[in-house]
Amino acid sequence: DIVMTQSPDSLAVSLGERATINCKSSQSVLYSSNNKNYLAWYQQKPGQPPKLLIFWASTRESGVPDRFSGGGSETDFTLTISSLQAEDVAIYYCQQYYSSPYTFGQGTKLEIK
Amino acid sequence: DVQLVESGGDLIQPGGSLRLSCEASGFSFSSYALSWVRQAPGKGLEWVSGISGSGGSTYYADSVKGRFSISRDKSKNTLYLQMTSLRAEDTAVYYCTKERGFSGYDPYDYWGQGTLVTVSS
Repeated sequence: DIVMTQSPDSLAVSLGERATINCKSSQSVLYSSNNKNYLAWYQQKPGQPPKLLIFWASTRESGVPDRFSGGGSETDFTLTISSLQAEDVAIYYCQQYYSSPYTFGQGTKLEIK
Repeated sequence: DVQLVESGGDLIQPGGSLRLSCEASGFSFSSYALSWVRQAPGKGLEWVSGISGSGGSTYYADSVKGRFSISRDKSKNTLYLQMTSLRAEDTAVYYCTKERGFSGYDPYDYWGQGTLVTVSS
């Protein structure tokens, strides 16, 4: 199984500042035939199911604000929120969908400083 | 609008069985792979099981292999998870999810609200 490891486990950022969450996979999730990274990011607010933010490592899902961006390739990925808003307080998960089982990172709790 | 509505969660004794259902609407049911993802109280997300759009291919996490069975009924637009030999560590909210694309290698663009399974004596 591919192990996904996020860092940090928790993060406190001031409103309007940048927040960066890291995700590392135990093996590459880059499929060479189409040059796509099979990596997604989800946001989960309390009492709600997760919401898809980013897929193919850097493609924003429809309706997701452009302050959210994803980057990285092969085994190292980042989720960046360029200017933190109060409504961004949540737990963020990365997930690889390169091979079954589609494993998740342990989550990063994002709070306001 | 796409909707996934889970049901069937309950308080069940260790060793017992339970069947979860997920009624889907708003999309072409047979075109998309579906999965179950669970979340233990206060914990992270764990993929449990998945099934192809046709139902011909099924996949299981090692933690549930041999105890859980996934299926789908296109006449009812419903996904199922039959759970047997339940253990305390199966206690979780179980989410029904839909894959975003047709390939079978896609992230989950829709999630249900979840149904709670509690395994306890």
